[in-house]
Amino acid sequence: KAGVTQTPRYLIKTRGQQVTLSCSPISGHRSVSWYQQTPGQGLQFLFEYFSETQRNKGNFPGRFSGRQFSNSRSEMNVSTLELGDSALYLCASSVQGAETQYFGPGTRLLVL
Amino acid sequence: AQRVTQPEKLLSVFKGAPVELKCNYSYSGSPELFWYVQYSRQRLQLLLRHISRESIKGFTADLNKGETSFHLKKPFAQEEDSAMYYCALRDTGNQFYFGTGTSLTVIP
Repeated sequence: KAGVTQTPRYLIKTRGQQVTLSCSPISGHRSVSWYQQTPGQGLQFLFEYFSETQRNKGNFPGRFSGRQFSNSRSEMNVSTLELGDSALYLCASSVQGAETQYFGPGTRLLVL
Repeated sequence: AQRVTQPEKLLSVFKGAPVELKCNYSYSGSPELFWYVQYSRQRLQLLLRHISRESIKGFTADLNKGETSFHLKKPFAQEEDSAMYYCALRDTGNQFYFGTGTSLTVIP
């Protein structure tokens, strides 16, 4: 099976802009989780989607949002970008969320 | 509240020496604990989970509920073990909490 894919791999934006990141899970996986990874904070959970519904949400401001499509592909959106949003954004998929998560390569976002 | 604590950001050991990466957690329910590893230029991947009680690449980890710890151990470190290691907890709501990671360097 193909692994989790994320697009784009690298992104440069300026403050105030918005960005959309995409994640395609492993075929058959219905749960997609998003994480923000920074050197200081490590991995922090953003949210989890399952069957097109947000099932869990981490402690991030409302500027961070996401959605999941019927084919389980997921997008996350960050509006009004801030410098502190520069990070590696990882998505992970699993069959139903209660099993092993498989991570994608991440999207590295740089906000200038 | 910080659910998972990895007190060591950096850890260096010599090849062949024992290695222990510490992980402490705080959770009142029955958590599930994991160790994830990220080798250089590779994806984050699962190393082991406590419910499996297995040894992967020579690593083991025992859940100590009394000390709320899930330390990762290997009796003889190898150079290929050099990587970033993350301890993670999954709560009963299926939400994951990761520690800040420990960078392990095995010195030849």
